[in-house]
Amino acid sequence: AQKVTQAQTEISVVEKEDVTLDCVYETRDTTYYLFWYKQPPSGELVFLIRRNSFDEQNEISGRYSWNFQKSTSSFNFTITASQVVDSAVYFCAYISNFGNEKLTFGTGTRLTIIP
Amino acid sequence: EPEVTQTPSHQVTQMGQEVILRCVPISNHLYFYWYRQILGQKVEFLVSFYNNEISEKSEIFDDQFSVERPDGSNFTLKIRSTKLEDSAMYFCASSVGTRYNEQFFGPGTRLTVL
Repeated sequence: AQKVTQAQTEISVVEKEDVTLDCVYETRDTTYYLFWYKQPPSGELVFLIRRNSFDEQNEISGRYSWNFQKSTSSFNFTITASQVVDSAVYFCAYISNFGNEKLTFGTGTRLTIIP
Repeated sequence: EPEVTQTPSHQVTQMGQEVILRCVPISNHLYFYWYRQILGQKVEFLVSFYNNEISEKSEIFDDQFSVERPDGSNFTLKIRSTKLEDSAMYFCASSVGTRYNEQFFGPGTRLTVL
């Protein structure tokens, strides 16, 4: 069965510091998709990125960047020059390209940006 | 920008009562989902729904749960006889296509069972 591990339960950094959130997954599937979602204090889940297992190119979107390494089954998320508005719980998630269509979420990392 | 909406935002009920949680998915989406998040824990899949039938359900989704798309816009989750352990945030999600497409989540309904 697929499993997503976010070993960092909580992280606190001072504003403007860079921070990396780790995500490691386990699967026997050859193709799959990985996601990051943000859950701000208001509670909703906000989609951030989707990555196809065929595409190992890193992606940058403004202050956000993602590093996907299939060899180590990791899909890490870096926030550069963090801001207080980045404070949230961040979830990594997985979906297989075969069989079920459910998102399997990690346990989340609570990120606190200290002003 | 289109979004998934959910009502109510907070529901308080007595143990053993029936509750219906309502969702309006994004209008051109075809796949619908319910997830739940017990306070402080990870988000867990409950059920997926496509073409007016359940396509997959988790072991959490037992006979006490049911889903329905009563009209062209609403998607509901019913819990027939609520238990204390059903207290959680329930998220509805929808996607335009299958697994390749991101699932967009609603703001959630916080269910409190007393």
